[in-house]
Amino acid sequence: DGGITQSPKYLFRKEGQNVTLSCEQNLNHDAMYWYRQDPGQGLRLIYYSQIVNDFQKGDIAEGYSVSREKKESFPLTVTSAQKNPTAFYLCASSTPQGIYGYTFGSGTRLTVV
Amino acid sequence: AQSVSQHNHHVILSEAASLELGCNYSYGGTVNLFWYVQYPGQHLQLLLKYFSGDPLVKGIKGFEAEFIKSKFSFNLRKPSVQWSDTAEYFCAVNPNNAGNMLTFGGGTRLMVKP
Repeated sequence: DGGITQSPKYLFRKEGQNVTLSCEQNLNHDAMYWYRQDPGQGLRLIYYSQIVNDFQKGDIAEGYSVSREKKESFPLTVTSAQKNPTAFYLCASSTPQGIYGYTFGSGTRLTVV
Repeated sequence: AQSVSQHNHHVILSEAASLELGCNYSYGGTVNLFWYVQYPGQHLQLLLKYFSGDPLVKGIKGFEAEFIKSKFSFNLRKPSVQWSDTAEYFCAVNPNNAGNMLTFGGGTRLMVKP
């Protein structure tokens, strides 16, 4: 089945540590996205990538970094510079055409301890 | 700034009640419109979408939405909710001049009491 796999499902991090969240898709989608979901704040865009080896900052990119070396993969690193990293992180992918919407992964819940 | 607004943040209904969740956007041109649903512990799933044609669109699980261009609205409706409809609902807009970028509303948490 085609889809998006995010791992791990739950992640605990000590303050001051960087952590990388995995996102892999086998939908052959060109575009991939990372969102942060906090209660009452909806989905906020962190980074997105329309094509391999290219990515753009979203609305809340500070304290995060990404890479897009392969079409299938778009890992997100939460750095120690992110002041409030505890959140639910969602990865999504899409075709270049906007009419089809996004396909989402099941998310990673990151908790800083 | 261009935005998507869902004015109801929390909605509590009893089973069999009718549902209408509001969604308004501020883009002036042609748009594609979506409703996504996130059941507890699950990923976001597409409920329905509109990109042209009949402004009344039907989705999965008995949901429908009506695009009213003059009101910049895309409200989600269901005649009779079930306990299993308890979830968070997100409206999203893709302006035609924005490629494949979606802007999401803040979400509405629906709780259906059995």
